[in-house]
Amino acid sequence: GQQVMQIPQYQHVQEGEDFTTYCNSSTTLSNIQWYKQRPGGHPVFLIQLVKSGEVKKQKRLTFQFGEAKKNSSLHITATQTTDVGTYFCAALEYGNKLVFGAGTILRVKS
Amino acid sequence: DTGVSQNPRHKITKRGQNVTFRCDPISEHNRLYWYRQTLGQGPEFLTYFQNEAQLEKSRLLSDRFSAERPKGSFSTLEIQRTEQGDSAMYLCASSLSGGNTEAFFGQGTRLTVV
Repeated sequence: GQQVMQIPQYQHVQEGEDFTTYCNSSTTLSNIQWYKQRPGGHPVFLIQLVKSGEVKKQKRLTFQFGEAKKNSSLHITATQTTDVGTYFCAALEYGNKLVFGAGTILRVKS
Repeated sequence: DTGVSQNPRHKITKRGQNVTFRCDPISEHNRLYWYRQTLGQGPEFLTYFQNEAQLEKSRLLSDRFSAERPKGSFSTLEIQRTEQGDSAMYLCASSLSGGNTEAFFGQGTRLTVV
């Protein structure tokens, strides 16, 4: 099966700074999804990327899918305290089951 | 519909006991998934159903684990003869079938085996 590696494991930023997490796979991905999990909460879907080189934006969040469909990134501009949580990328496999990365924990200092 | 519901939210059990968790998916979703999440890790796939049929089981799922979805609606996950290594958050998710659809997760059941 597929494996996705996610870096960094942890990032602590000052409120207003930018944040980026990266997701990499050794195999070509059909598509990739991003989820956010707040402390004590459950994963919540953010976005799905399907096309090579795709870029999608949600307010301060920018998601990219690499040209080779082997990597993806999530960038948050001007972080806020409400952005705290763990961000996971997940590769979609047959049957719509998800293979998650280990996640990047984001802490925001106000 | 209030989303995916899981019960109980927390379960503490002694090693060797059996436990059963329940998941009620979003009503129109025909696919239901079970995942397990340990601290500092992403959710790991355990098994999934399309309607009442269990279509895939992970190698992570030992013989002590069994899941059912008898009428294609709610699902149960039973762990027999629990071990301390079973302690984790058990997450249920549901989705529509077909390609490129998001999964809706429940709040999870946190199992602690003492």
